[in-house]
Amino acid sequence: GENVEQHPSTLSVQEGDSAVIKCTYSDSASNYFPWYKQELGKGPQLIIDIRSNVGEKKDQRIAVTLNKTAKHFSLHITETQPEDSAVYFCAASDFKYGGGFKTIFGAGTRLFVKA
Amino acid sequence: DSGVTQTPKHLITATGQRVTLRCSPRSGDLSVYWYQQSLDQGLQFLIQYYNGEERAKGNILERFSAQQFPDLHSELNLSSLELGDSALYFCASSVGGGTNEKLFFGSGTQLSVL
Repeated sequence: GENVEQHPSTLSVQEGDSAVIKCTYSDSASNYFPWYKQELGKGPQLIIDIRSNVGEKKDQRIAVTLNKTAKHFSLHITETQPEDSAVYFCAASDFKYGGGFKTIFGAGTRLFVKA
Repeated sequence: DSGVTQTPKHLITATGQRVTLRCSPRSGDLSVYWYQQSLDQGLQFLIQYYNGEERAKGNILERFSAQQFPDLHSELNLSSLELGDSALYFCASSVGGGTNEKLFFGSGTQLSVL
């Protein structure tokens, strides 16, 4: 069935360093790849997304890359700050016109940024 | 604030009971999604409704059911509850209809089955 694998499960970095989280998806029909950040006691919040016709997207300190052939996509956070500490989820979606839309999430990466 | 409202925030009940979780989507969003988050299973997609109709189904148990009402709010009904149903249940909404698939999550309902 559909599956999204996410690594690592825990990541600890020093403030100012970069953090990279990698995901692999199984459903070749997936065409939309969002990343969510979940802080303690809150629901996941979309931070960046990429569509299957794009290889890379950047938004300030956050970038996402996609390799459709290998079914890999990654999140890169540069110049990390303590407020980046949270759980990050990758997801893969099979997006169909007409409203049918299933998003499968990875297991999450708990990022610790040490000051 | 995502604009998605979930009630109640916390729910404590006993095995065998039935509960209803409620979700109000963001203004203008037609799609509502339900997710279950547990420590060992991550975020599991349960079901999606679009403008009152079921549109996508995930790993939703037969003991669970959902619906979306004409005013677009949604309810998730969990019956014959088991200890393993204890989890955080999230509702999310999106514009839907093939126009905008960005999900906006509520703060969740923490369900504890004792």
